[in-house]
Order: sequence, then structure tokens, then C-alpha cells
Amino acid sequence: KAGVTQTPRYLIKTRGQQVTLSCSPISGHRSVSWYQQTPGQGLQFLFEYFSETQRNKGNFPGRFSGRQFSNSRSEMNVSTLELGDSALYLCASSLVSGSSNTGELFFGEGSRLTVL
Amino acid sequence: SQKIEQNSEALNIQEGKTATLTCNYTNYSPAYLQWYRQDPGRGPVFLLLIRENEKEKRKERLKVTFDTTLKQSLFHITASQPADSATYLCALDLGDFNKFYFGSGTKLNVKP
Repeated sequence: KAGVTQTPRYLIKTRGQQVTLSCSPISGHRSVSWYQQTPGQGLQFLFEYFSETQRNKGNFPGRFSGRQFSNSRSEMNVSTLELGDSALYLCASSLVSGSSNTGELFFGEGSRLTVL
Repeated sequence: SQKIEQNSEALNIQEGKTATLTCNYTNYSPAYLQWYRQDPGRGPVFLLLIRENEKEKRKERLKVTFDTTLKQSLFHITASQPADSATYLCALDLGDFNKFYFGSGTKLNVKP
């Protein structure tokens, strides 16, 4: 079974630009979560989607947004990039049902974003 | 304030010994606690999950304990091997739609 796939793996942007990251979850997983990882703050939760609905959101500004498609694939977007947005963005999928609100996370390899 | 603390200094041990990693937390009431392993440049990999009403969980050479009174989890790797060298992260799961709170991780170095 294929794991969680994230694209692109690496990207470089300049301040003020926007970026879209993509995530394909493990087949059958309907929950997709996004995390930001930086050396200073560690792993921080961005948001979680289940069946195209955002069920939870972390403490990030509105420049960070996401969505999930009917095939469970997800994208996140960061607009008006700032230097501090440089990080590893990790997507994780989870096999949870609609009645279960938690489960172990299967992470992708991440998208390494550098903002210059 | 809410905090999750893992040893920020690397843990260096000799091959064959038992590695013990600590995760302490304050002002959280996790329903579950999970441990992950992360290698450089890779995403975290799930290792073990323990529920708030469980004291101990084992899987092969791994053992995790969870003390909700002390607000602490201990993660043990017995008969450690150089291949166990990695950063280990604890994650608090409040049962809130996969919104986990991660510790900063402890880097384990197992020397042959």
C-alpha cells in the first residue's frame, strides 16, 4: 500500500508570493492533517480535514488555508509568504471513522519550503 | 501555561543498553499519548499509543508507561541498536480531531 505522498518535496519562494502544497493520503484514509515543523517551535498543528470538512484548526493566521477534495487528497495554501514561514510542512493521514475523532498519524516526507 | 517537555539534550547510550526517554506535560489532560520516531529529513513514524487508563504498553523491544498523576510518560527501548538512533517525539492526543500537541523531541544516539 502506498504511503502518504507530498508534492513538491522542496521549493523556494520569495516574500509576498504564495504557495500551494499537495498531499495524497493512504488509500482508504479520509482524515488529513497538516503540521508545520520548525527548529524553534517543533511540530505545530495547522488543520485537519475529514470528508472535505475542516474539523479543527490550529493557531495560525488566515494566510494559511487548506481544502480537501472528494478523493481525500488535500492541499494547503500559504499566501503573502513571510520569512518565518520557512519550514517543513508535513501532511498526515489517519484511518478514522466519522464517529471516531482521533487515531495514529501516518506522515508523508514533507514539503520543505524556503522563503527568501 | 501548557507545556510538553522532552529532554532537549541528546541521549547517548551504548549498544545493548536500555534507552529511557521522558515526556512531561503540564496543563493538559490527554486521552491518549503517542510516540513517534523521526529520522533526519523524513516524516515522523508512529510507534506506540497508550490510553489514559492504561499504565503500560509493549511492542517488541519498546515499552511505554503513562502516569496521569505525575503527568509523565516514559519510553523505553531495550537492547538498543545503532539503527535505533533517531529523534523520538511524544504527542498528546486530547481526542480532538487529530489535533496533537508534540514535544520538541529527544535525539537518541546508540553507539556500537
